[in-house]
Amino acid sequence: DAGVIQSPRHEVTEMGQEVTLRCKPISGHDYLFWYRQTMMRGLELLIYFNNNVPIDDSGMPEDRFSAKMPNASFSTLKIQPSEPRDSAVYFCASSPGQGQPQHFGDGTRLSIL
Amino acid sequence: RKEVEQDPGPFNVPEGATVAFNCTYSNSASQSFFWYRQDCRKEPKLLMSVYSSGNEDGRFTAQLNRASQYISLLIRDSKLSDSATYLCVVYTGGFKTIFGAGTRLFVKA
Repeated sequence: DAGVIQSPRHEVTEMGQEVTLRCKPISGHDYLFWYRQTMMRGLELLIYFNNNVPIDDSGMPEDRFSAKMPNASFSTLKIQPSEPRDSAVYFCASSPGQGQPQHFGDGTRLSIL
Repeated sequence: RKEVEQDPGPFNVPEGATVAFNCTYSNSASQSFFWYRQDCRKEPKLLMSVYSSGNEDGRFTAQLNRASQYISLLIRDSKLSDSATYLCVVYTGGFKTIFGAGTRLFVKA
């Protein structure tokens, strides 16, 4: 079975550029989560969706960040404009239901120069 | 007080040792509990769920103590490959799942 698929695996770009991260959840999973992980702050939940609807975006750091889930098999996390402090590993995860384990993608390593 | 707390370690143990981690949680209504493992520069991966009666998977044993609000993970006969960060995860209900900051384990030859 295919797991959670994220792209790109690595992204290096200059500050001010738009960055788009992509995620395909496991088929049949109703929940999708976006996380950011840094050495300083650990794993932070940014936003999650249930049945394609954003439920809680209180973790989104600021208006430069936005996330969409246009259908059950695709989600994007966009940063515009990007800043060096956005450099981190961004994970997407999905789960089949409330209280069920989350399954993570390989992550996107983002470096903003 | 953090909602989920773990000793960050690191725990440095020799191969073959038994090591145990605890994780405390603050919400007494928490419903589901998990242990994840994260290797350096990799994604977190589910290690095992934690059931009320306790459960075992090979060398790994997980237990839940609701009265004292903690879960534990015991690793027997440690292997070099067990070196990783172990994350405690608590589902508190209402769409809220909380990841602990993790406990680092180094198993040395």
